[in-house]
Amino acid sequence: ELKVEQNPLFLSMQEGKNYTIYCNYSTTSDRLYWYRQDPGKSLESLFVLLSNGAVKQEGRLMASLDTKARLSTLHITAAVHDLSATYFCAVEYNNNDMRFGAGTRLTVKP
Amino acid sequence: NAGVTQTPKFQVLKTGQSMTLQCAQDMNHEYMSWYRQDPGMGLRLIHYSVGAGITDQGEVPNGYNVSRSTTEDFPLRLLSAAPSQTSVYFCASSSQMNTGERDYGYTFGSGTRLTVV
Repeated sequence: ELKVEQNPLFLSMQEGKNYTIYCNYSTTSDRLYWYRQDPGKSLESLFVLLSNGAVKQEGRLMASLDTKARLSTLHITAAVHDLSATYFCAVEYNNNDMRFGAGTRLTVKP
Repeated sequence: NAGVTQTPKFQVLKTGQSMTLQCAQDMNHEYMSWYRQDPGMGLRLIHYSVGAGITDQGEVPNGYNVSRSTTEDFPLRLLSAAPSQTSVYFCASSSQMNTGERDYGYTFGSGTRLTVV
């Protein structure tokens, strides 16, 4: 059974600091996604990672994938308040089934 | 280009009632799916469809039915609502489902908040 574990589940950061969110999964997958969700809103696609060693960056966020370790990371650089949201990783396997982690609720404080 | 449209946004049902959550996309995406989101559990896949006339079960299909008569629409039916089905429901779609690259991830609708009393 595919399991997707994120940690931490809650993260409170000071503005300007760096931190990393981890996503571990249990079974070989086709691709891995990172999504952002603001309170009461829908999900916004941030990154799609397709292969081992893939690294993608957008602004202060950088995502990486290690398929051998079954680990993806979302690194936050010099956090700002606008990054406060819940971040989900999701792992797709069998080309149809996408399983989500429980989410990391990030709060960036001034 | 509206993307993925879900209706209604909010709904309250009594136990045992039935209803249909609507989902429509205008991006000609082959793949559509329904998720439910419960606190602390992320999103869980209910049903999905890889094209018109084709549907399959996801992780938590019990109590829900789907059909896909057109590429655009993918309604979710609750046959006899139960309090355990109180949740936020999201519909999602994507393209190039079976041909490899899907660089843009899934497009999600705005969600339907369902309460069963």
